[in-house]
Amino acid sequence: DSGVTQTPKHLITATGQRVTLRCSPRSGDLSVYWYQQSLDQGLQFLIQYYNGEERAKGNILERFSAQQFPDLHSELNLSSLELGDSALYFCASSAGLGQGQYFGPGTRLTVL
Amino acid sequence: TQLLEQSPQFLSIQEGENLTVYCNSSSVFSSLQWYRQEPGEGPVLLVTVVTGGEVKKLKRLTFQFGDARKDSSLHITAAQPGDTGLYLCVGAPTSGNTPLVFGKGTRLSVIA
Repeated sequence: DSGVTQTPKHLITATGQRVTLRCSPRSGDLSVYWYQQSLDQGLQFLIQYYNGEERAKGNILERFSAQQFPDLHSELNLSSLELGDSALYFCASSAGLGQGQYFGPGTRLTVL
Repeated sequence: TQLLEQSPQFLSIQEGENLTVYCNSSSVFSSLQWYRQEPGEGPVLLVTVVTGGEVKKLKRLTFQFGDARKDSSLHITAAQPGDTGLYLCVGAPTSGNTPLVFGKGTRLSVIA
């Protein structure tokens, strides 16, 4: 158990819909990262927050947005969903920038 | 754009054999992390190396960070079937606001 929690574990929805994925980092970790992993693909970095502020952005689509709240939990919002958005979405946290990350169990999103 | 070249991409060996995975770049990193990922699960942090020339051991796994902090290696002694998985190297750029750089991974299969 990494100490990072993600909800929900599974999510099935239809194209065009909007969903919110939630992540609670390890206690004390200030940095949160979001990743997308499609079937048999590598991890794609989406976005990073540090203590509530956006610090780095990867290949995140404009239909996707995220934020980190004062209690340090984070949410990833995915809107106007397409079939190609079906993937495992991982959240990770670290104590500080550049430090090792602890990954949550992931949310498996299926868009039908 | 910073890149991390990881090799080999695939490796299939017999139980008891030794192996080395390499992670190379032309860029300097402030730290480098190694993870192992199993299908459907989040990557698990194995080690973070920070100092050039640093060597860290984790049971049968030996990690080395190059003197110039541009490359790293992972050596596994007497591989076991439980070592099977995807091994990822991840570099933290020296600029804190730049996204982490991911290698494409080495998929290791250890056959009993």
